[in-house]
Amino acid sequence: ETGVTQSPTHLIKTRGQQVTLRCSSQSGHNTVSWYQQALGQGPQFIFQYYREEENGRGNFPPRFSGLQFPNYSSELNVNALELDDSALYLCASSLAGGGTDTQYFGPGTRLTVL
Amino acid sequence: GENVEQHPSTLSVQEGDSAVIKCTYSDSASNYFPWYKQELGKGPQLIIDIRSNVGEKKDQRIAVTLNKTAKHFSLHITETQPEDSAVYFCAASDTGRRALTFGSGTRLQVQP
Repeated sequence: ETGVTQSPTHLIKTRGQQVTLRCSSQSGHNTVSWYQQALGQGPQFIFQYYREEENGRGNFPPRFSGLQFPNYSSELNVNALELDDSALYLCASSLAGGGTDTQYFGPGTRLTVL
Repeated sequence: GENVEQHPSTLSVQEGDSAVIKCTYSDSASNYFPWYKQELGKGPQLIIDIRSNVGEKKDQRIAVTLNKTAKHFSLHITETQPEDSAVYFCAASDTGRRALTFGSGTRLQVQP
């Protein structure tokens, strides 16, 4: 069984730029959720994708957007980067309709905005 | 929306002692309560979870208790070992919403 993988591991961008982060879900999972974890804090829900559609969104502005592909992998896009976007971005996969909705996290992408 | 508070923020115990971390939640609709362990430079790892139809769940040295009336749940680790040192997060959600709301984390340090 393949776990959740994310790429890249680290990324440095400057304010105003755009970034794309990628996530491959655990085999057999059909749902991907994205979280932002600032240093020293708990993860905060950004949004979730199920069957290639956004299936819930947290309190994040529209410049945070996403995609889910037919193979259930996903991308998180952030436009017009701000300094406060510096954080660990976590992807979690789960199986909707599987009776548990348990979310399994990847290792994260550390984004630094200068 | 849901709000989860977690205490303490740091906890230091001697190897072999027990550790207890407590969380409270605000939304009575929440019915799923997982606990995650996060080591430095890694993503959160699920260690145990509990649903609202159960009051207690145990897995070897780890146990979780849930009091739905009081809206609080706790993680108990017995016979702690140095490899238990990490940051622990509680979370809550309802299956309809699916988003997890996390607590602020507890840094557990187990002294050898």
